[in-house]
Amino acid sequence: KAGVTQTPRYLIKTRGQQVTLSCSPISGHRSVSWYQQTPGQGLQFLFEYFSETQRNKGNFPGRFSGRQFSNSRSEMNVSTLELGDSALYLCASSFSVEGYTFGSGTRLTVV
Amino acid sequence: QQQVKQSPQSLIVQKGGISIINCAYENTAFDYFPWYQQFPGKGPALLIAIRPDVSEKKEGRFTISFNKSAKQFSLHIMDSQPGDSATYFCAATGGESSTLGRLYFGRGTQLTVWP
Repeated sequence: KAGVTQTPRYLIKTRGQQVTLSCSPISGHRSVSWYQQTPGQGLQFLFEYFSETQRNKGNFPGRFSGRQFSNSRSEMNVSTLELGDSALYLCASSFSVEGYTFGSGTRLTVV
Repeated sequence: QQQVKQSPQSLIVQKGGISIINCAYENTAFDYFPWYQQFPGKGPALLIAIRPDVSEKKEGRFTISFNKSAKQFSLHIMDSQPGDSATYFCAATGGESSTLGRLYFGRGTQLTVWP
């Protein structure tokens, strides 16, 4: 079966711009969560959506937002990009707590 | 506050040796402890996981040992191979609403297996 698909794979943006990242979960998975991965901070939880509702949120500023659509696909948006937002953004989908599957991520570079 | 602490940060092992990575957690409500393996350019992939009602789980060359009283768990890779060279993350979740849909990760261990 198809895995978690994240698009685009790579992005280069300028400071101050905004960006939207997309995640298509495994078919049947209703939970989608997002993580930021950096060498200095490791894997940091951004937020999680289940059936279009945000159930949990990490400690990130309001510039980071997300949403989930009725087909479980999810998007995350970062506004007013800062250099420190450069990271690998990972999406994971799951059917239950025992089945988190990650995508390959979107590598965002802010210049 | 780091809910899951992982050590060592890096590990070098000879081919055929045993790799051991340790993790400790804070929240006694956690009830699911997975290990993830990540190769460069890829997302983390689930390797093996354990629930606190068992003290050990083995899948092939990979074994998780779990010590509930000490709030510690570890990954043992037997007969380590060069193909095992990757970054390993321990994680924890479950047990209460505040952890819903969220994995708490350790900082990762960069494993290098020399041929």
